[in-house]
Amino acid sequence: DADVTQTPRNRITKTGKRIMLECSQTKGHDRMYWYRQDPGLGLRLIYYSFDVKDINKGEISDGYSVSRQAQAKFSLSLESAIPNQTALYFCATSDPTGYPRDEQFFGPGTRLTVL
Amino acid sequence: QQQVKQSPQSLIVQKGGISIINCAYENTAFDYFPWYQQFPGKGPALLIAIRPDVSEKKEGRFTISFNKSAKQFSLHIMDSQPGDSATYFCAAIGYTGGGNKLTFGTGTQLKVEL
Repeated sequence: DADVTQTPRNRITKTGKRIMLECSQTKGHDRMYWYRQDPGLGLRLIYYSFDVKDINKGEISDGYSVSRQAQAKFSLSLESAIPNQTALYFCATSDPTGYPRDEQFFGPGTRLTVL
Repeated sequence: QQQVKQSPQSLIVQKGGISIINCAYENTAFDYFPWYQQFPGKGPALLIAIRPDVSEKKEGRFTISFNKSAKQFSLHIMDSQPGDSATYFCAAIGYTGGGNKLTFGTGTQLKVEL
């Protein structure tokens, strides 16, 4: 079974709609992250959480919000989707005490298209 | 502002050749430098990593070279194989405000041709 799962894997939505992307992990890691991937721009951090009570903005948080429901669950919401949020979204987890240092384990990704 | 600059954006190498991907950084707070490999339809996965007190690290056909004074590091893939075709991301870990986080380069799409 996959250690980091994301649902849905693909989503097509319309401008203005609210959508939620969900991430679950069985690795027991406290740290969780949301990234978006765009061609030529690499992976950019949207939000991250170092534990259940800790939520932090990343470099591109505008237009997004998150919820850390439990150690194992971290959801990303687009309150009012716009076409330039069309991208591949990844959830990741890490253990800061592990070796290699803070290795991140990624989910399979969600491909989001906003029409 | 891109804190980790990566080049080239894409690379085509013949089977058996050497693939070289370069990265440069500015933030001297970075203190660990991993490389991630991503196959189509998959999430990235850690490939190899290096500490800045080491100038080179080799794992099989993959080698990281690190030049601390120049703030540059590179990935060399020896005897490149078609199965190495993937996107490669360099990254850096260090305090960038809000705690230690991973900062990725923009990625290099490698294609190894027969």
